[in-house]
Amino acid sequence: QQPVQSPQAVILREGEDAVINCSSSKALYSVHWYRQKHGEAPVFLMILLKGGEQKGHDKISASFNEKKQQSSLYLTASQLSYSGTYFCGTGSDGNNRKLIWGLGTSLAVNP
Amino acid sequence: EAGVAQSPRYKIIEKRQSVAFWCNPISGHATLYWYQQILGQGPKLLIQFQNNGVVDDSQLPKDRFSAERLKGVDSTLKIQPAKLEDSAVYLCASSLDLVGPSNLNYGYTFGSGTRLTVV
Repeated sequence: QQPVQSPQAVILREGEDAVINCSSSKALYSVHWYRQKHGEAPVFLMILLKGGEQKGHDKISASFNEKKQQSSLYLTASQLSYSGTYFCGTGSDGNNRKLIWGLGTSLAVNP
Repeated sequence: EAGVAQSPRYKIIEKRQSVAFWCNPISGHATLYWYQQILGQGPKLLIQFQNNGVVDDSQLPKDRFSAERLKGVDSTLKIQPAKLEDSAVYLCASSLDLVGPSNLNYGYTFGSGTRLTVV
């Protein structure tokens, strides 16, 4: 089952914060987050494994709540470079590479 | 390190013609994936290789699509004959074998993709 991402789209002013959610109807082992800019390939952001961990680098962080089967991506003090489409990919079994991808959340950061 | 190489970058063909895409993954990456990404959607897995063996090809339309990974390195994806609905970006990605606490900094590395237009 494809994970559901919300919101579908968000528009921010530079410096504002945003949260993107990824929910699954299946038990999850891992959640991957990627960002894709228009006309480019998706770029890896981070992976979270079950255990309710939170990860982050720079001003982008994420949490994983395995009980809720949900992950959230937090974008703090957004920069123009954060614009793009954010995809989550969920892995439900020991083969963490068999991901099912969400439809993406379009993020636009304006000056 | 060098990234995932794909070619061609763009391809326009007529329906019922055939087309082939090539991918060279990152050296040492055992797993290789072909994805189809239709405009406005997330990537859809077509086939996953582990070395030169197929792990998952459940969503590959086998009546027209075929893929191989020779010697566990390069891979080609072929469409024959192409249909209008095959118009999409075809992404190749590679990754280390397993995700675990020791390699959580490594996800998929995607190539730039091939944008296919079937007219």
